[in-house]
Amino acid sequence: DAGITQSPRYKITETGRQVTLMCHQTWSHSYMFWYRQDLGHGLRLIYYSAAADITDKGEVPDGYVVSRSKTENFPLTLESATRSQTSVYFCASSDEWHTQYFGPGTRLTVL
Amino acid sequence: RKEVEQDPGPFNVPEGATVAFNCTYSNSASQSFFWYRQDCRKEPKLLMSVYSSGNEDGRFTAQLNRASQYISLLIRDSKLSDSATYLCVVNLNSGYSTLTFGKGTMLLVSP
Repeated sequence: DAGITQSPRYKITETGRQVTLMCHQTWSHSYMFWYRQDLGHGLRLIYYSAAADITDKGEVPDGYVVSRSKTENFPLTLESATRSQTSVYFCASSDEWHTQYFGPGTRLTVL
Repeated sequence: RKEVEQDPGPFNVPEGATVAFNCTYSNSASQSFFWYRQDCRKEPKLLMSVYSSGNEDGRFTAQLNRASQYISLLIRDSKLSDSATYLCVVNLNSGYSTLTFGKGTMLLVSP
């Protein structure tokens, strides 16, 4: 029972590089979410998706791109990484009752 | 008014103590309420949903007060393993699956 997985778990990159964080869930949940968590800000929603090929912006979408060609996958791309995007990134999926289940997170450092 | 507001703590309590956390939310039309638990550097995990009539799960009791727009979490007979950050989570946008997370209340249980 894999649930929801994220890869890589740790990533160090340089300013200006493109980075893609992967998220995969095995529950066939319709909704998927990307959050970032920083000290002093708590969890902030970056993007979410209600179904394959349907995505929408959250609270802090600038500098990020998402896609969802398959229900089970929801990759997050940083097109040109900046130091301010150093954070812990969590992916989540949700059943119809709004309960969200989180992946283990990706710790991203942008140098 | 902040959308979902919690006292950041930390709450320092001895083992066996009873401790309560409150959380206020801004949208009176909110329909879904949860408490999540987050251990240091780990993903948030669902502790319990909060129902209108209040609900209990072992040592944990959650209550909702719609008139005053707050939810509460009561932990009885605290254990060392209860030490964590507790996140108040609310579906502020009725009809959508996005959730708004409070910044969390830190609980430290000491021997």
